[in-house]
Amino acid sequence: DSGVTQTPKHLITATGQRVTLRCSPRSGDLSVYWYQQSLDQGLQFLIQYYNGEERAKGNILERFSAQQFPDLHSELNLSSLELGDSALYFCASSVDWREADTQYFGPGTRLTVL
Amino acid sequence: AQTVTQSQPEMSVQEAETVTLSCTYDTSESDYYLFWYKQPPSRQMILVIRQEAYKQQNATENRFSVNFQKAAKSFSLKISDSQLGDAAMYFCAYRTLTAYSGGGADGLTFGKGTHLIIQP
Repeated sequence: DSGVTQTPKHLITATGQRVTLRCSPRSGDLSVYWYQQSLDQGLQFLIQYYNGEERAKGNILERFSAQQFPDLHSELNLSSLELGDSALYFCASSVDWREADTQYFGPGTRLTVL
Repeated sequence: AQTVTQSQPEMSVQEAETVTLSCTYDTSESDYYLFWYKQPPSRQMILVIRQEAYKQQNATENRFSVNFQKAAKSFSLKISDSQLGDAAMYFCAYRTLTAYSGGGADGLTFGKGTHLIIQP
């Protein structure tokens, strides 16, 4: 158990809908990362937040957005869902934002878009 | 942009034997970090080992060790005395050091993975 929690574990929805994935980082970690794992694209970095501020963006679509709240939990919002958005979404956390910090991954949320 | 290549989609090894998983990467940076993550059937991503590019000494964690060849941009993972619990997908990952400047993505760049099968 990494100490990172993600809810829900599974999510099934329809095309065009909007969903919110939630992540709670390890106690003491200030940085949160979101990744997408799909069969087509593999594991891709989406976005990073540090202490409530957006820190870096990867291959995140404009239909996707995220935020980190004062209690440091983070939410990833996916809207206008398409079939291709079906994937495993991971949240990871680290103490700081520096490259030396190990990122600890949560168990993931499996999103199925029908 | 950095790229990470794992040329072995699948590898198979007998229990108790040694296996080496390959990883190459492409970067113009001189300082960076490299990682191997393990993803068992549970889908949990677990850090196996990490290597700082400025360190010449290869990292070791129990039965896991790496062969880091900076000039060749190669970062292979050796698993000694393979155990059934080692069966998993293994991902090589790269992280830039340029995060300090605020430029570029700050997340990990992953390879496509190698599926490791352990034969009893």
